[in-house]
Amino acid sequence: QKEVEQDPGPLSVPEGAIVSLNCTYSNSAFQYFMWYRQYSRKGPELLMYTYSSGNKEDGRFTAQVDKSSKYISLFIRDSQPSDSATYLCAMETDSWGKLQFGAGTQVVVTP
Amino acid sequence: DSGVTQTPKHLITATGQRVTLRCSPRSGDLSVYWYQQSLDQGLQFLIQYYNGEERAKGNILERFSAQQFPDLHSELNLSSLELGDSALYFCASSITSDQETQYFGPGTRLLVL
Repeated sequence: QKEVEQDPGPLSVPEGAIVSLNCTYSNSAFQYFMWYRQYSRKGPELLMYTYSSGNKEDGRFTAQVDKSSKYISLFIRDSQPSDSATYLCAMETDSWGKLQFGAGTQVVVTP
Repeated sequence: DSGVTQTPKHLITATGQRVTLRCSPRSGDLSVYWYQQSLDQGLQFLIQYYNGEERAKGNILERFSAQQFPDLHSELNLSSLELGDSALYFCASSITSDQETQYFGPGTRLLVL
């Protein structure tokens, strides 16, 4: 079983809808949680990072971490076709910056 | 543009060969990370260097090695290449050795024939 589980999708939504993404994990030592966006044939781009449990909002993006359930989420409000990409969750313990990534969820926002 | 540069962008080679991938971190970043991304394994951490010293190892094969030079650029050497080594190789950098915000380069696409 992988340490970080993420549904690969694809997840197709109409423009303007809320995109809901999530990951589950098994290692309770993870403390830093990140979401990356990766466009086709490009490097991952950091979207959000959160330390420990709680919510964080940045524009149309909201990240939630529930450490008790070992579950993290990313919500994208008012989705746009330009949000079409693969979204990867990533997490690490408090040492050495060794990120563990989920498989990535492909999101398609249709006009 | 993340500020991390990687060369070459594409590389085609044959089984058994050796290749070197190069990465220049963002200005001011001391830590460099290497990742492999393939369809079946996803994005896998390979190795991390901080200010010239190896800091952490992940799922890196013995046929692979890396180093970070005094000017902080890094090279990933892949030898005795196999078909299964075909993948995207990303370099990322961060300011410190345990900085959670890593910035990724555009990657090198390696195809082993």
